Amino acid sequence: AQSVTQLDSQVPVFEEAPVELRCNYSSSVSVYLFWYVQYPNQGLQLLLKYLSGSTLVESINGFEAEFNKSQTSFHLRKPSVHISDTAEYFCAVSSNYKLTFGKGTLLTVNP
Amino acid sequence: NAGVTQTPKFQVLKTGQSMTLQCAQDMNHEYMSWYRQDPGMGLRLIHYSVGAGITDQGEVPNGYNVSRSTTEDFPLRLLSAAPSQTSVYFCASRGGVLAGYGTGELFFGEGSRLTVL
Repeated sequence: AQSVTQLDSQVPVFEEAPVELRCNYSSSVSVYLFWYVQYPNQGLQLLLKYLSGSTLVESINGFEAEFNKSQTSFHLRKPSVHISDTAEYFCAVSSNYKLTFGKGTLLTVNP
Repeated sequence: NAGVTQTPKFQVLKTGQSMTLQCAQDMNHEYMSWYRQDPGMGLRLIHYSVGAGITDQGEVPNGYNVSRSTTEDFPLRLLSAAPSQTSVYFCASRGGVLAGYGTGELFFGEGSRLTVL
């Protein structure tokens, strides 16, 4: 069985501040790790993923996540957030067919 | 390219009524799935399919039926709706063997908001 724990349900920050959204996972087999983002009244979109290789992965809009096998973590970071980054972020783990999501972290960026 | 299309976007049912949420994808994806999203619960997998004629249960399958007669379509049926099934439902798909199964991006529809009174 696999599971995902997102340690913060809500993260409020001010514009241009750095942010970290925390994610821990558990699995008995090798996994693939993902971050998805959901903007209001929309479906989820892939933000970035770790499959293998470099443990640091980046998205096109400035987010990055680091896979840490010893700590079973995959935290998402951005050095300077924008108002438009306000959304709910989901960490997910995949093995074989199933993708298991965490409960989500609502990131609210205030002016 | 429409991607994943869900209908209807909104539906109100009375307890005991039945209905079908439709999902269609035009990306020739082998894998299709249904999730429900509830506040504070994240997304929970209801049922999934790895190809036409093959379906399996996810984390919360009770009260829901699915079938997969074609690659494109994966309807979700509520046989006797209950208030506990009030939720937002998402259909999602991704490629199969050639796309590396679990490594591929999952493409989501825009969701179907269901209220059961």
